[in-house]
Amino acid sequence: GAGVSQTPSNKVTEKGKYVELRCDPISGHTALYWYRQSLGQGPEFLIYFQGTGAADDSGLPNDRFFAVRPEGSVSTLKIQRTERGDSAVYLCASSLMAGPNYGYTFGSGTRLTVV
Amino acid sequence: GESVGLHLPTLSVQEGDNSIINCAYSNSASDYFIWYKQESGKGPQFIIDIRSNMDKRQGQRVTVLLNKTVKHLSLQIAATQPGDSAVYFCAELTSNDYKLSFGAGTTVTVRA
Repeated sequence: GAGVSQTPSNKVTEKGKYVELRCDPISGHTALYWYRQSLGQGPEFLIYFQGTGAADDSGLPNDRFFAVRPEGSVSTLKIQRTERGDSAVYLCASSLMAGPNYGYTFGSGTRLTVV
Repeated sequence: GESVGLHLPTLSVQEGDNSIINCAYSNSASDYFIWYKQESGKGPQFIIDIRSNMDKRQGQRVTVLLNKTVKHLSLQIAATQPGDSAVYFCAELTSNDYKLSFGAGTTVTVRA
């Protein structure tokens, strides 16, 4: 597609449930990133994929968070045993390759609300 | 000495006036800086970038100024329009990295 697509746009879940958030990057972009944006703050890095592999998952807050990109395009961010503190907008971005020489394009995000 | 603008979380500006948004960055090793605009319900959208070997860069109606001595970045928007109402973030990056580090945003409201 023309841009980065994220689904769903909104997700409300109960505390303790499992959720999956999907990201469709721009076709041909090898680098994919997940960021989390809490209310009133800037996005914070979670994880970076180069192709199919998670090259850097240092931003994942704990082991309840996991992400995959099995075929090097679509990525899924998975959150187990959700907590109210997980409520945030989860943003996905992609770029042709990693680094400042290649532009980052962000999706519109998934707004996750844990009740 | 040279004055450095303070970061303000909100900015209200009259339509047609110029806007100046300030940002202090934290990493002296950062050599690439980007300004993003984020509208409600959308992701950050690229506005303009600048590398550390420059101190000024101009785009369409926007100018970014970089002061490496005091680690300060500013975005100037000329003739501000209602469509410029949004939250603006600066982000920094080092040339051998890929993780954007975002500053505190500034909410710009344009008064008609």
